Amino acid sequence: DAGVTQSPTHLIKTRGQQVTLRCSPKSGHDTVSWYQQALGQGPQFIFQYYEEEERQRGNFPDRFSGHQFPNYSSELNVNALLLGDSALYLCASSLWGLEAFFGQGTRLTVV
Amino acid sequence: QKEVEQNSGPLSVPEGAIASLNCTYSDRGSQSFFWYRQYSGKSPELIMFIYSNGDKEDGRFTAQLNKASQYVSLLIRDSQPSDSATYLCAATAGGTSYGKLTFGQGTILTVHP
Repeated sequence: DAGVTQSPTHLIKTRGQQVTLRCSPKSGHDTVSWYQQALGQGPQFIFQYYEEEERQRGNFPDRFSGHQFPNYSSELNVNALLLGDSALYLCASSLWGLEAFFGQGTRLTVV
Repeated sequence: QKEVEQNSGPLSVPEGAIASLNCTYSDRGSQSFFWYRQYSGKSPELIMFIYSNGDKEDGRFTAQLNKASQYVSLLIRDSQPSDSATYLCAATAGGTSYGKLTFGQGTILTVHP
């Protein structure tokens, strides 16, 4: 049974560019949440998707947007990248928002 | 005040000892609490969760919850060098915030032989 998978694993982008990160949830899970983890910090909640709708959102600007597809997979889009967006982006899947399992993450570097 | 705070580290214990990791939370609406382990450069791995007052044991791990004191802890018995990692405490509230994890900053644990 495949767990949560994210792609790509590493990414380097230039300031001002746009990036799309992808996540496939664990089999049987219907809820996908995205987190940003800066070096030395705990993960920060970006938003959560359930039934293809954004159910709740953390304190992140509108440059961060997402989508959930009918097969429960999800994308995180970040526009107008800033140097401060460099971080590990984590996708977590769960069933009905219960215990969440994380993917391996995408390391984004903005130069 | 941070919503979830963990005891400042790093924490260093000898192999075979008990490691005690602590966490406090400020939102009394928090309902469930999770402990994750994160190795350097890797993603968080769920160790266990707890939502009722008292103790919950799983192998060498025991989670303790005291909602009156807004306190959560994780005990690791017979600590092994492979337990060396950052331990993250997270809380989730009910209602419209259900499923949103609020994390502490993490505590670095080192188990030395």
